[in-house]
Amino acid sequence: EPEVTQTPSHQVTQMGQEVILRCVPISNHLYFYWYRQILGQKVEFLVSFYNNEISEKSEIFDDQFSVERPDGSNFTLKIRSTKLEDSAMYFCASSDPYEAFFGQGTRLTVV
Amino acid sequence: GENVEQHPSTLSVQEGDSAVIKCTYSDSASNYFPWYKQELGKGPQLIIDIRSNVGEKKDQRIAVTLNKTAKHFSLHITETQPEDSAVYFCAASMEAAGNKLTFGGGTRVLVKP
Repeated sequence: EPEVTQTPSHQVTQMGQEVILRCVPISNHLYFYWYRQILGQKVEFLVSFYNNEISEKSEIFDDQFSVERPDGSNFTLKIRSTKLEDSAMYFCASSDPYEAFFGQGTRLTVV
Repeated sequence: GENVEQHPSTLSVQEGDSAVIKCTYSDSASNYFPWYKQELGKGPQLIIDIRSNVGEKKDQRIAVTLNKTAKHFSLHITETQPEDSAVYFCAASMEAAGNKLTFGGGTRVLVKP
């Protein structure tokens, strides 16, 4: 069964450092998303991406965040200068076009 | 924007009993309501969804009901089994291609053998 895969599963980074979270969406999907879940809180939408551009972003997705589809398979989330409050589980998802399938997540810990 | 509330936050049931999780949403424009199951160390897995043109949908031991007037929807799991133990999330969306999901806070279900 096709699935969304994310790497790494866990990333520890120093505050102020840049991190890149990687995702391989399901191959025939056209819509891609990033969500995050801070411990004990709801899963929150960050950004959606279609046709090589951002289609919607939340107020969380400020200038520190960027997304990219560098090739035909990967979809990345970059955080330029991490803050302690960026510590969360980050989920990538893809859909074609309605039912969204999620990856297993990357736990980001900023120290 | 949309807000989804989910209750209860934890639910403990005896194996074989039924479990019910309830969600309310705020935006009457929402018309797509998926449910996700998240097991430890895994991402949310879509288990069932319902669109606003139907009031109920069933898939084996899982059913979802929707009341658009009251803006609430529920997940029903019958004949619960230990493998049903997980965190369940409801979500709401306007069903458009690539539209975002707004999630409830999750329900941790424990099925006791």
